[in-house]
Amino acid sequence: EAGVTQFPSHSVIEKGQTVTLRCDPISGHDNLYWYRRVMGKEIKFLLHFVKESKQDESGMPNNRFLAERTGGTYSTLKVQPAELEDSGVYFCASSQSAGGPWNEQFFGPGTRLTVL
Amino acid sequence: AQSVTQLDSHVSVSEGTPVLLRCNYSSSYSPSLFWYVQHPNKGLQLLLKYTSAATLVKGINGFEAEFKKSETSFHLTKPSAHMSDAAEYFCVVSDSSGYSTLTFGKGTMLLVSP
Repeated sequence: EAGVTQFPSHSVIEKGQTVTLRCDPISGHDNLYWYRRVMGKEIKFLLHFVKESKQDESGMPNNRFLAERTGGTYSTLKVQPAELEDSGVYFCASSQSAGGPWNEQFFGPGTRLTVL
Repeated sequence: AQSVTQLDSHVSVSEGTPVLLRCNYSSSYSPSLFWYVQHPNKGLQLLLKYTSAATLVKGINGFEAEFKKSETSFHLTKPSAHMSDAAEYFCVVSDSSGYSTLTFGKGTMLLVSP
């Protein structure tokens, strides 16, 4: 079974440009999460989808970030326009349907975004 | 509110010696606690989890952790380090209120020398 995949693995862009990150969760996983790790800091939650609906987007830093999950399959995270402080590693994770106190989140390898 | 403190940013051990990675947590709810590991260029992998069952939790690759409520700790140990254990380790807390949002510590880089 394929794991969580993310594309691209690396992205280098200029300040003010737009970048779109993609995440493909494990097939059949309803829950999809985005996290970000800024250099030197901890990994922080950005948002949570249940199927195509945003369950929690309390971690999104500002309105330059837009996440979508059309059809409840893959998700995209767009940053427009990118700023220097957006540099970091963006992780995606997925888990099975909610139910019970815990469903393991499976993580992708991350996308390393560098904004120059 | 919940938080995690990993007490060491780097830990260096020799192959074959014990490993201790320290973690303290704070949570308003009965917490679920986890350790994840990230090897270079790989995704985070779940090592072990505590979800209010046995306080001593055994994970993959010989790792284990003990939940100590009185000390609010969840330290990760392994009796004998292997070169392949070199990686970054994250202590993570999630409340059991029904949400499964994860709160991460800053990570501990484990270095293993021959």
